[in-house]
Amino acid sequence: DIQMTQSPSTLSASVGDRVTITCRASQSISSWLAWYQQKPGKAPKLLIYKASSLESGVPSRFSGSGSGTEFTLTISSLQPDDFATYYCQQYNSYSRLTFGGGTKVEIK
Amino acid sequence: EVQLVQSGAEVKKPGESLRISCKGSGYSFTSYWISWVRQMPGKGLEWMGRIDPSDSYTNYSPSFQGHVTISADKSISTAYLQWSSLKASDTAMYYCARLRNGSMFDYWGQGTLVTVSS
Repeated sequence: DIQMTQSPSTLSASVGDRVTITCRASQSISSWLAWYQQKPGKAPKLLIYKASSLESGVPSRFSGSGSGTEFTLTISSLQPDDFATYYCQQYNSYSRLTFGGGTKVEIK
Repeated sequence: EVQLVQSGAEVKKPGESLRISCKGSGYSFTSYWISWVRQMPGKGLEWMGRIDPSDSYTNYSPSFQGHVTISADKSISTAYLQWSSLKASDTAMYYCARLRNGSMFDYWGQGTLVTVSS
């Protein structure tokens, strides 16, 4: 299976900060990567697909970049509603989907 | 409006069987794969497997193959996740999710909490 490694596992930031989360794949996945946001007690929500395409309805402060094995999710100006856990997910291998371990964004 | 509505929380004893459900509405149920995702307490997301509701073709993560069964009844737009013999380590939140293009999870159910305890 393709392994997905996120860093950092926890991130402390303040409202208004620019935040970057990294996701690395154990082998090339082209641009077949999605990002999700999960708040406590809630189901995950799709934010970004195909590495950099913004899902409909998602604020433009969220952006994604990367290809191959290294990817980033950036929040340009952190808002109170953005404190959550973020997961990457590869779909290069359709029959073996895998998630990263998650990055928790906490209030500093 | 696309919705996936899951069955309610379950409390079971080790060795018991269980089937939980996920009912889709607001879209053509047979046009999208459905996946199940496990989240153990305080942990991350784990993909368990998926089913094509049009023909019930399934594939599983190696981590879950043989431990669970995924099925679907397209006549009632419902997918299922089933265990024949639960273990304490099956205690988790289980989500169903719709797969767009068989690849990314674009709609999720609200989750079903399964607690296995003697």
